[in-house]
Amino acid sequence: DTEVTQTPKHLVMGMTNKKSLKCEQHMGHRAMYWYKQKAKKPPELMFVYSYEKLSINESVPSRFSPECPNSSLLNLHLHALQPEDSALYLCASSQNRVNTEAFFGQGTRLTVV
Amino acid sequence: GNSVTQMEGPVTLSEEAFLTINCTYTATGYPSLFWYVQYPGEGLQLLLKATKADDKGSNKGFEATYRKETTSFHLEKGSVQVSDSAVYFCALREAGTALIFGKGTTLSVSS
Repeated sequence: DTEVTQTPKHLVMGMTNKKSLKCEQHMGHRAMYWYKQKAKKPPELMFVYSYEKLSINESVPSRFSPECPNSSLLNLHLHALQPEDSALYLCASSQNRVNTEAFFGQGTRLTVV
Repeated sequence: GNSVTQMEGPVTLSEEAFLTINCTYTATGYPSLFWYVQYPGEGLQLLLKATKADDKGSNKGFEATYRKETTSFHLEKGSVQVSDSAVYFCALREAGTALIFGKGTTLSVSS
């Protein structure tokens, strides 16, 4: 099973809303990632969790708040977003942070209105 | 710093044509190299990988060989199908770092 599951698949939210994106994997992977992808662009790294601890934050605005409740789950809490934050948000996981491949979920298509 | 450069697209081919998408990289150490594919409206799928020089990754008729002397990892397929239409990303990863992607190449195959 090489599946990373993301929910919801689509999300429309207002600029004053609070919402959360969820990601789950059951491959025993100990590194999990959030990426943001705009149309016709490659994914941009936002956060890296390694063994449930935040190890990389790529200078992401505080309106994005990641959380890793356990080794299988990764959340991204959203608050006071801007329309330019509309994008495809991708979760990925890998066995660890060394040279192993990452497996991606199908993404959450976020629209901020 | 590390980087990946892919040929600009879009690449437009007829069914059964030969495909090459060029990818070159810059790295300070010994990265693993990957090709990912993204179909419209979906996430990224790992297509193939190579972890050391001269390794050949292959999957679904696609192949790429890790060439350290030319710092390249070109993607090839002998006979493309309409279903291969997608965006292809070359990527590298060194120990302790996250994936670094190229800009992506859009492939469009017509019947």
